[in-house]
Amino acid sequence: GESVGLHLPTLSVQEGDNSIINCAYSNSASDYFIWYKQESGKGPQFIIDIRSNMDKRQGQRVTVLLNKTVKHLSLQIAATQPGDSAVYFCAEMTGGSYIPTFGRGTSLIVHP
Amino acid sequence: DTAVSQTPKYLVTQMGNDKSIKCEQNLGHDTMYWYKQDSKKFLKIMFSYNNKELIINETVPNRFSPKSPDKAHLNLHINSLELGDSAVYFCASSQGGGVGELFFGEGSRLTVL
Repeated sequence: GESVGLHLPTLSVQEGDNSIINCAYSNSASDYFIWYKQESGKGPQFIIDIRSNMDKRQGQRVTVLLNKTVKHLSLQIAATQPGDSAVYFCAEMTGGSYIPTFGRGTSLIVHP
Repeated sequence: DTAVSQTPKYLVTQMGNDKSIKCEQNLGHDTMYWYKQDSKKFLKIMFSYNNKELIINETVPNRFSPKSPDKAHLNLHINSLELGDSAVYFCASSQGGGVGELFFGEGSRLTVL
């Protein structure tokens, strides 16, 4: 699920599998990160956030991992469901700025 | 009750025309934003508006201008539309202060012919 090239990266999984979506962020000064989910025809919606003083945070069926050394963020979705099919974005923010910068999204396709 | 609403949802127009997209939020947030999403789903910040402070992404052409009549509204006006302006435009709001999520509208799909 790494965002490279011009095409939207796609991750295809079977229903019930665990999914891992990756994100490489650009600014080493970023200290706040959010994952968003965008369903077709809708705006992005908040999933989970994490501050740079943490390396892991868990929500309901989702876990975000942060590796500041390599500027990498991942979103793990447990027991993926068809309703999880969407485009997922990571966003980074730097202290003092309230403007999130979005990474290139990853399309998650869940097959029943 | 929709938290962030934008109108119109779809807009089809000719090159050279001027158009506006309206955005309203009923969340009492201090900060509003406009993002442009291209055909590859890339979300790019255009403007943010916080307590009368406007921050403009320097790459946005000056044909685009935000207008905020009050804290709950941030409208986007576009002059002399070009083919490359075709995209989905998202309005969003947040509490501001550098924390917390953005709440997005449903998007306005602009098609320039």
